[in-house]
Amino acid sequence: GAGVSQSPSNKVTEKGKDVELRCDPISGHTALYWYRQSLGQGLEFLIYFQGNSAPDKSGLPSDRFSAERTGGSVSTLTIQRTQQEDSAVYLCASSPNPVYEQYFGPGTRLTVT
Amino acid sequence: AQRVTQPEKLLSVFKGAPVELKCNYSYSGSPELFWYVQYSRQRLQLLLRHISRESIKGFTADLNKGETSFHLKKPFAQEEDSAMYYCALKGFGNEKLTFGTGTRLTIIP
Repeated sequence: GAGVSQSPSNKVTEKGKDVELRCDPISGHTALYWYRQSLGQGLEFLIYFQGNSAPDKSGLPSDRFSAERTGGSVSTLTIQRTQQEDSAVYLCASSPNPVYEQYFGPGTRLTVT
Repeated sequence: AQRVTQPEKLLSVFKGAPVELKCNYSYSGSPELFWYVQYSRQRLQLLLRHISRESIKGFTADLNKGETSFHLKKPFAQEEDSAMYYCALKGFGNEKLTFGTGTRLTIIP
């Protein structure tokens, strides 16, 4: 079947604008993760959803970042009042169970000008 | 706190030569260690995890708790091994992955 999909693949926005990034996990996967890959940095954990449990938001860098997962499937990562340092590739991953392999999407490249 | 260090940003190896990508970690408990790979224009994918003790595409990695290392090795490099390699750690009871900064491996024909 289809893998994890993300949209848009590229997003250019002006500083101060809000952006929404979308992730469609693999059907049936209960765990969903967001990571960020900045230039010269490794992948940085942002947030984790597991079923109906409260999400682990410990990696969100500021209160400008939020995410939701509707109906246990699609997730949206929202960045408010974007800053240039938010420019990065945002990766989504899903897993059938937290102890299993995480399957990654192609990422959304965000550029804040 | 958990941390993963990959000391080499870039590594070039001749085809047929042995490859070793270094990974060191910091974690107070018993971690689970992974290697992920990203080939050009492809998405990040799991290469191997230490608990499965598999050899994937000729690569192996042994967890050395004494040295807190999880180096990735292959005896004979192939051109198709050129890619970005990330070492990652998952702590007990913590489902997020902590990644290193990655090593770009280039195999010279």
